[in-house]
Amino acid sequence: DVKVTQSSRYLVKRTGEKVFLECVQDMDHENMFWYRQDPGLGLRLIYFSYDVKMKEKGDIPEGYSVSREKKERFSLILESASTNQTSMYLCASTQGQGLNYGYTFGSGTRLTVV
Amino acid sequence: GQSLEQPSEVTAVEGAIVQINCTYQTSGFYGLSWYQQHDGGAPTFLSYNGLDGLEETGRFSSFLSRSDSYGYLLLQELQMKDSASYFCAVMGQAGTALIFGKGTTLSVSS
Repeated sequence: DVKVTQSSRYLVKRTGEKVFLECVQDMDHENMFWYRQDPGLGLRLIYFSYDVKMKEKGDIPEGYSVSREKKERFSLILESASTNQTSMYLCASTQGQGLNYGYTFGSGTRLTVV
Repeated sequence: GQSLEQPSEVTAVEGAIVQINCTYQTSGFYGLSWYQQHDGGAPTFLSYNGLDGLEETGRFSSFLSRSDSYGYLLLQELQMKDSASYFCAVMGQAGTALIFGKGTTLSVSS
């Protein structure tokens, strides 16, 4: 089974801190994604990457950046955390477009910014 | 751009059949996917429809009508464990990443 592992299940950070959310997948998937999930808003795409050192903005990239130095690892960076970035962050990976076999998601990191 | 509409909540009783509808608008269509997410859990892939018609996987079926920009997820013989959120999703611009609907919360009661 493909496994997508997010390093922290819960995080509490202070406003203005630089925050790193880590995601590692173990099945050599090309494509990796970061979503945030908020009640009533569903999953919203922040950034994605289809290759090492490649990144593309999603629908809500403001306030975030990403890093993909190795194929298996995709990091989400909050440059200066703000309270409106309190959310559940979900990482996913897939091979190809991920249509027939779907995305595999990590268990999520619930970030609280105080 | 892309947009998806699905009901926010659906309730049903054990053993019943429930249908969760999804209408979409997208500039380029690559098919409709469905995901399930239990409370506190990760979304998991349920099904994908690339062509019109019904796809069946056990108690769950998914339907697509491309001409109507419409699909649905059909859950039969409902069980308590089916209580979860269900998301429809379409591929974003240029077939890059999935865009998800806001989700439908299904509550199954005994």
